[in-house]
Amino acid sequence: DAGITQSPRYKITETGRQVTLMCHQTWSHSYMFWYRQDLGHGLRLIYYSAAADITDKGEVPDGYVVSRSKTENFPLTLESATRSQTSVYFCASSGTGGRSSYEQYFGPGTRLTVT
Amino acid sequence: DQQVKQNSPSLSVQEGRISILNCDYTNSMFDYFLWYKKYPAEGPTFLISISSIKDKNEDGRFTVFLNKSAKHLSLHIVPSQPGDSAVYFCAAKTPTSGTYKYIFGTGTRLKVLA
Repeated sequence: DAGITQSPRYKITETGRQVTLMCHQTWSHSYMFWYRQDLGHGLRLIYYSAAADITDKGEVPDGYVVSRSKTENFPLTLESATRSQTSVYFCASSGTGGRSSYEQYFGPGTRLTVT
Repeated sequence: DQQVKQNSPSLSVQEGRISILNCDYTNSMFDYFLWYKKYPAEGPTFLISISSIKDKNEDGRFTVFLNKSAKHLSLHIVPSQPGDSAVYFCAAKTPTSGTYKYIFGTGTRLKVLA
């Protein structure tokens, strides 16, 4: 089906473990984004990517790593999870101009708990 | 430094009346603004947008107004319906010179009372 999907939807992990959150989109959008949502902070940008092999830091990149070898995939890795990384993570994608293509579309989210 | 601010964490409105959600920004270089609606346990969904070269955009019950001199935008929902109860985020897009990104506000929780 067309759209943007995230996996897993729920994840519980222990402090110090490596965790990878997956994001896949079928629109061939150039841009992809990772956000975290925390109470009182809204949506904060972690990393974004303008195209395959082009990534850049957002507001809160520390402790996270991204890669984008294919246009449709944008995995987010927590190299050594900490309790402060307990959050809901959203992946999003958007286009590169033209009518309505700056509209950003979100996945359903991954709820991550670090114990 | 919060570049996009939604100063009202919550808003309650009677069904059928107008809901007005506000958003302020500090960077005059933002060139596109968007509103999103978010239900619990779901991702945000795009609602309506406006380019910085316009001052109004309308889509059905939803209208977004942009006042660039005041660096302020607002979302009007008329008439409000119980299904509109959700958290609303405004977002601003940085100019597309090279790459762009979005900056989000902290959200306003709208409750429409039946």
